[in-house]
Amino acid sequence: QKEVEQNSGPLSVPEGAIASLNCTYSDRGSQSFFWYRQYSGKSPELIMFIYSNGDKEDGRFTAQLNKASQYVSLLIRDSQPSDSATYLCAVDTSYDKVIFGPGTSLSVIP
Amino acid sequence: NAGVMQNPRHLVRRRGQEARLRCSPMKGHSHVYWYRQLPEEGLKFMVYLQKENIIDESGMPKERFSAEFPKEGPSILRIQQVVRGDSAAYFCASSRAGGGGSYNEQFFGPGTRLTVL
Repeated sequence: QKEVEQNSGPLSVPEGAIASLNCTYSDRGSQSFFWYRQYSGKSPELIMFIYSNGDKEDGRFTAQLNKASQYVSLLIRDSQPSDSATYLCAVDTSYDKVIFGPGTSLSVIP
Repeated sequence: NAGVMQNPRHLVRRRGQEARLRCSPMKGHSHVYWYRQLPEEGLKFMVYLQKENIIDESGMPKERFSAEFPKEGPSILRIQQVVRGDSAAYFCASSRAGGGGSYNEQFFGPGTRLTVL
């Protein structure tokens, strides 16, 4: 069983729409959850982190966490072409390591 | 406030040579992670180090690869006798702490692109 899974891409949304990126994890002891954005040819950049159940909003980004369902998501409102990138979900584990998911490629169509 | 620094940014080696990749963590960070990324693929964890200690090397190939994080100086990822399959981007990340909690956010360096001819 893969430890961190993300919805397979690529995901295409029109400009101005909401992009929804999903992530599930297997370790019930996980406490910290991160979303990274990686542009082609660049290094991953941390954009959101969440520790508590519920929603966390930062500008156009909202992270949602449901520990009971072992599910974390990232919503991007008013998507822009500059949001086109690969989004990586990362989860800490009960054995002291952060695990990255395979990533979801997002394309925002003008 | 300098971020994570990696050098060189690009490295070309011929098969059989050695590659040395360096990573200086952010100020105040004592945990270093190395990842490898092949073109169009995800990040693959290689090794997690603290000063003078290897915490987890479960992602490191058993042969030719080694890593260290000495008391002074940068972390080094060393690849001996490189082969074409080693061509990839190697990213280093650092954090203030490891494991769970609010201090384990990882910040990435710009990466080293290794090309093996």
